[in-house]
Amino acid sequence: KQEVTQIPAALSVPEGENLVLNCSFTDSAIYNLQWFRQDPGKGLTSLLLIQSSQREQTSGRLNASLDKSSGRSTLYIAASQPGDSATYLCAVNSLSGYSTLTFGKGTMLLVSP
Amino acid sequence: EAGVAQSPRYKIIEKRQSVAFWCNPISGHATLYWYQQILGQGPKLLIQFQNNGVVDDSQLPKDRFSAERLKGVDSTLKIQPAKLEDSAVYLCASSLSLYERDEQYFGPGTRLTVT
Repeated sequence: KQEVTQIPAALSVPEGENLVLNCSFTDSAIYNLQWFRQDPGKGLTSLLLIQSSQREQTSGRLNASLDKSSGRSTLYIAASQPGDSATYLCAVNSLSGYSTLTFGKGTMLLVSP
Repeated sequence: EAGVAQSPRYKIIEKRQSVAFWCNPISGHATLYWYQQILGQGPKLLIQFQNNGVVDDSQLPKDRFSAERLKGVDSTLKIQPAKLEDSAVYLCASSLSLYERDEQYFGPGTRLTVT
C-alpha cells in the first residue's frame, strides 16, 4: 500500500526566502506525481505534475524534482511571497490501481511580510 | 473553460440525518472522483467513475454512503445516516481519461459539519 509523507508539517518564513518542501513515498512504482496548493476553505489547485520519466518540472518560481528510485520529490519555491501562504499537498499516482491519487498530509506554509 | 462545480459549499446537519452533494465536472472529462478530506489530513478517495460506471469504490463506506453518475456527466454523493466522523470536506475532481492517468482538477469542495 502506497504511503506518502510530507516534511515539515508546518513552515514559517520571512518574505523573500527560498524554501524547500519535501515529499517521500514508499512504493517507487508510480505513474506520476502532482503538487497541489490548498488555500483555507478552498479546493485544490494543481501546481505541477511530473511524469515518472521526468526529473523535474518548472512553473514560474516553482520547481519540482522527482527521484523515483529513492521515493522522493521536492518542491522548491524561490523568493517566497505572502501570497504563497497555503497548504501544499503532494500526491502520487501509483502504477497499481485505477489512477488513484495517494496524498500526503501536507505542509502548511506561512510567509510573513 | 469552466472548472469543476460543486454544491452546496457548506452544510450543517445533525447526526442520523441524510445529506447529498452535487458535482459537475469539466466538460468532456470522462473520469470523476469523490474524495473525503478530514481536517489535517490529505484527501482520501471514496469512489471513482469512468463515464457512468464505477471503477473503484473500495474505500466507500457502503452501509451509509452512495454515489451515482447516471448520465456520465454530473454526480451525486449521498450520506444516510450521517455520523459525527463524517464531518469533513468532500472534494470532487475530474480528469480527461482514467486510462491515461491525466491530471486531476478539483472543485472547491463541500464542507460538511455533523453535530
